Amino acid sequence: DQQVKQNSPSLSVQEGRISILNCDYTNSMFDYFLWYKKYPAEGPTFLISISSIKDKNEDGRFTVFLNKSAKHLSLHIVPSQPGDSAVYFCAARGPQGGSEKLVFGKGTKLTVNP
Amino acid sequence: KAGVTQTPRYLIKTRGQQVTLSCSPISGHRSVSWYQQTPGQGLQFLFEYFSETQRNKGNFPGRFSGRQFSNSRSEMNVSTLELGDSALYLCASSKGRDRVVYEQYFGPGTRLTVT
Repeated sequence: DQQVKQNSPSLSVQEGRISILNCDYTNSMFDYFLWYKKYPAEGPTFLISISSIKDKNEDGRFTVFLNKSAKHLSLHIVPSQPGDSAVYFCAARGPQGGSEKLVFGKGTKLTVNP
Repeated sequence: KAGVTQTPRYLIKTRGQQVTLSCSPISGHRSVSWYQQTPGQGLQFLFEYFSETQRNKGNFPGRFSGRQFSNSRSEMNVSTLELGDSALYLCASSKGRDRVVYEQYFGPGTRLTVT
């Protein structure tokens, strides 16, 4: 049972435009959501996180939106740059007795074309 | 501030052998988690340690084990290696749940190849 889903395996955008990556989840007990960027054969790079008590968090070009009623979150990258090309993972943390376990989506490959 | 470090970066082992991977968390981080990444399964949670205690364990066989030391460094061990254990093993650290803003950082990973 996949609790975190990224339904778009890939996304292609033009440099300077907005990239929107989506993520859906099923477990309403998740209390934090995180976005990571990953290159092949490297560890995921933390980008931004959001608490379940908020609906928006911004950090530079990255903004994450959370819609709890729809169990949906999205990552907006504005403006997109060629260096943003990578696989993006959405992850969720559940209040499982204090554990830091993250549940990951399968990832979305973003390609930003010059 | 140094990030999460993992050693070794690459390993080649044969079936039936065992392997030990090491992870040093970011200074001040007390929680260390391990994940396995494979092309087919994505990132799968192995286990998490906090203050030398295992707090959570994923759905992996008992051949996978780990531990954490008093300085928060962690090791994971895989015994009786199988071909299917070939993967990128990732370690992540965080300060734990006493923070309003939550962040979890990953190391570069250890690429294990079983032949």
